[in-house]
Amino acid sequence: NAGVTQTPKFQVLKTGQSMTLQCAQDMNHEYMSWYRQDPGMGLRLIHYSVGAGITDQGEVPNGYNVSRSTTEDFPLRLLSAAPSQTSVYFCASSVTSGRFYEQFFGPGTRLTVL
Amino acid sequence: DAKTTQPTSMDCAEGRAANLPCNHSTISGNEYVYWYRQIHSQGPQYIIHGLKNNETNEMASLIITEDRKSSTLILPHATLRDTAVYYCIVRGGWDDKIIFGKGTRLHILP
Repeated sequence: NAGVTQTPKFQVLKTGQSMTLQCAQDMNHEYMSWYRQDPGMGLRLIHYSVGAGITDQGEVPNGYNVSRSTTEDFPLRLLSAAPSQTSVYFCASSVTSGRFYEQFFGPGTRLTVL
Repeated sequence: DAKTTQPTSMDCAEGRAANLPCNHSTISGNEYVYWYRQIHSQGPQYIIHGLKNNETNEMASLIITEDRKSSTLILPHATLRDTAVYYCIVRGGWDDKIIFGKGTRLHILP
């Protein structure tokens, strides 16, 4: 298993540009989520999904869109990038059966918006 | 908002036990306590979880108070590689959204 993969690893955008951060998992997890982490801070939940076709907002959803057309993929779209969105973005997926729901995180995408 | 509160930072001497506290006074009966750690800028990794009994695995021990309102993660013999941010979260069903707090930054002192 590759686990949770994220692309790209690094990205620099100009203010107003749009882009999509890719996230994929091969563990057949229904639950997937996106977090952002600003320097020296904890992780803040942006959006999450409990299955294909189902998404919901987290703590800081403004400026971001998500969709979930397949179990494997959960892309995060920045419609019009702003410097405040400079951050490290982590995608995660979670076991959804049994009694133990461990989350697995991807390596992160480091985004700079100029 | 996060359902847990943790100290911002802690120090521990290398070789000693590191005891990291977590308060989760509003925990529900079906919610588990999970601990994760984040080393440098990597994605967080699972450490241990528990419901109401104390738990131990190869990495750590988890002590949950009888009223379940707080817990302590114990790293029995801390090494420099244990320097990380440790997060305590609570989670009930598999479809619960998972909110991380700010975590505790653990410094292991040589």
